[in-house]
Amino acid sequence: RKEVEQDPGPFNVPEGATVAFNCTYSNSASQSFFWYRQDCRKEPKLLMSVYSSGNEDGRFTAQLNRASQYISLLIRDSKLSDSATYLCVVFLRGNEKLTFGTGTRLTIIP
Amino acid sequence: DAGVTQSPTHLIKTRGQHVTLRCSPISGHKSVSWYQQVLGQGPQFIFQYYEKEERGRGNFPDRFSARQFPNYSSELNVNALLLGDSALYLCASSLNGQRATNEKLFFGSGTQLSVL
Repeated sequence: RKEVEQDPGPFNVPEGATVAFNCTYSNSASQSFFWYRQDCRKEPKLLMSVYSSGNEDGRFTAQLNRASQYISLLIRDSKLSDSATYLCVVFLRGNEKLTFGTGTRLTIIP
Repeated sequence: DAGVTQSPTHLIKTRGQHVTLRCSPISGHKSVSWYQQVLGQGPQFIFQYYEKEERGRGNFPDRFSARQFPNYSSELNVNALLLGDSALYLCASSLNGQRATNEKLFFGSGTQLSVL
């Protein structure tokens, strides 16, 4: 089983729609969780951290369910500029590394 | 302030050759990590260095090595290149090597290595 699993997509979504991504992780001792965004041929950039209580940043909402080892990202009122690959990432202290999922490719259609 | 800088941006090598990739972290950051990203996959951890010491190593063969210099810049070396080493190599810096669980990691734009 992969350490971090994501649906690779692609997701093709009309502009203005709401889209949700899911991610599961295998190590229950994982301590920190993130969503990164990666544009084509560019480096990953931190989109948002994910907290147990859930957190929101503008049109983006992240949720964490530790019991189910499940992370989600919701994008409301999607924009053309949201087209990118979204990477689910977990961190376990002691491993000293971020573990990335394969990413979910999102394309917003005008 | 400059972000994480990597050089070169692109590199073409042939099988069996050796390559050295370079990275300068954000000023004040003491930790550098290296990741390999094969097309269609997420980045895979190779090494982390903090204060010039190796702190973490991923599941990569001994052909991969790295070091960190007193100015906190870093080099990644790959010997005896294979076709499968073709990838985007990303360097990331953080202040203290993510000792705090929410310490942010900043990536450079990467070196695209093609092995022919």
